[in-house]
Amino acid sequence: EPEVTQTPSHQVTQMGQEVILRCVPISNHLYFYWYRQILGQKVEFLVSFYNNEISEKSEIFDDQFSVERPDGSNFTLKIRSTKLEDSAMYFCASSRRDPRTGEQYFGPGTRLTVT
Amino acid sequence: SQQGEEDPQALSIQEGENATMNCSYKTSINNLQWYRQNSGRGLVHLILIRSNEREKHSGRLRVTLDTSKKSSSLLITASRAADTASYFCATRESGGGADGLTFGKGTHLIIQP
Repeated sequence: EPEVTQTPSHQVTQMGQEVILRCVPISNHLYFYWYRQILGQKVEFLVSFYNNEISEKSEIFDDQFSVERPDGSNFTLKIRSTKLEDSAMYFCASSRRDPRTGEQYFGPGTRLTVT
Repeated sequence: SQQGEEDPQALSIQEGENATMNCSYKTSINNLQWYRQNSGRGLVHLILIRSNEREKHSGRLRVTLDTSKKSSSLLITASRAADTASYFCATRESGGGADGLTFGKGTHLIIQP
């Protein structure tokens, strides 16, 4: 069964460094998302992406974040200058249909630790 | 309560018993989805119920939705030790709402063997 994959599973970085989290959505899906979950807290929506552009972003998704679909399979989240509070599990998700009707399938996550 | 609040926060039952978890939300929605998360792992999609549906089944799972009360329930029948996990409801708001899902804090379910 197709699934969303993410790499790396765990990333440790120093404050101020740039990180790129990678995702391969399910191949026939058209809508892509990033979420994060700070330890012990709710899963929070960051951004949605459709037709090669950002569809919507939350208040969390400020100028230090960016997303890209560099080719036909990868979907990346870049954090330009990491802060301690960016430490969280980052989940990529994809859906075949639009968000009003489509199930969102999540990857296993990348645990980001900022020291 | 906040959008997508699950109740109870924790539930411990014996293997073979049924487990019921509830979710309440505040806004109008297009759909509500239930997910399972094993400790420190990813979110596994369980079931989606649309706002015009009242009940849905998938294997041992039964989900109900009452839009008048803005609530949903997830029933797991004949529970197994492998069902031990946290369960989250997530809503997609309607009327031009966010693409992203709004998650609750989850119910931590423990199945005692």
